Amino acid sequence: QQQVKQSPQSLIVQKGGISIINCAYENTAFDYFPWYQQFPGKGPALLIAIRPDVSEKKEGRFTISFNKSAKQFSLHIMDSQPGDSATYFCAASWARGSTLGRLYFGRGTQLTVWP
Amino acid sequence: EPEVTQTPSHQVTQMGQEVILRCVPISNHLYFYWYRQILGQKVEFLVSFYNNEISEKSEIFDDQFSVERPDGSNFTLKIRSTKLEDSAMYFCASRDRDSYEQYFGPGTRLTVT
Repeated sequence: QQQVKQSPQSLIVQKGGISIINCAYENTAFDYFPWYQQFPGKGPALLIAIRPDVSEKKEGRFTISFNKSAKQFSLHIMDSQPGDSATYFCAASWARGSTLGRLYFGRGTQLTVWP
Repeated sequence: EPEVTQTPSHQVTQMGQEVILRCVPISNHLYFYWYRQILGQKVEFLVSFYNNEISEKSEIFDDQFSVERPDGSNFTLKIRSTKLEDSAMYFCASRDRDSYEQYFGPGTRLTVT
């Protein structure tokens, strides 16, 4: 069962454009939704995260939009730059009871920003 | 800035051999994780660890795998008898008690031949 579904698989955006990556989740018990950025040969780096009590969170050029009723969340990268070219993973977790918040990852989106 | 470190960066081993992957989590973190990523695929959870005990493990984490915190700083993943399908990037992650944020190390690329 795929707990987190991510789309698109790949995305090509012009420099200065807006990159939008979407994720949908199954489990309504999830209460933490991070986005990770990964460059080739490196570990995932935490980019931005949101809890379900807010509908939007912005940090610099990166914004998460969260729709609890639709069980969807998305990453918007404003003014996309060539340095943003990387693979982006959405994830979800909960941290109740005996679990320690294992992350369920989406399949990733390979973003290419053309100069 | 504190970071998770992992050694070695690349490990090549023959099928059936034992490997130990090492991680040094961020010093004040209490929760530790191992994930793996087969080339070109998503990151998959293996195991979480707290207070010297496994908290949760996935179906991937079978009897061939074990984890240990042998001292106050290291966190290790042992694969007893490696298989070709164990070839992947293995990532260690850690977080502190009061945050959901998991910080990942740079990974160990395991190649089983």
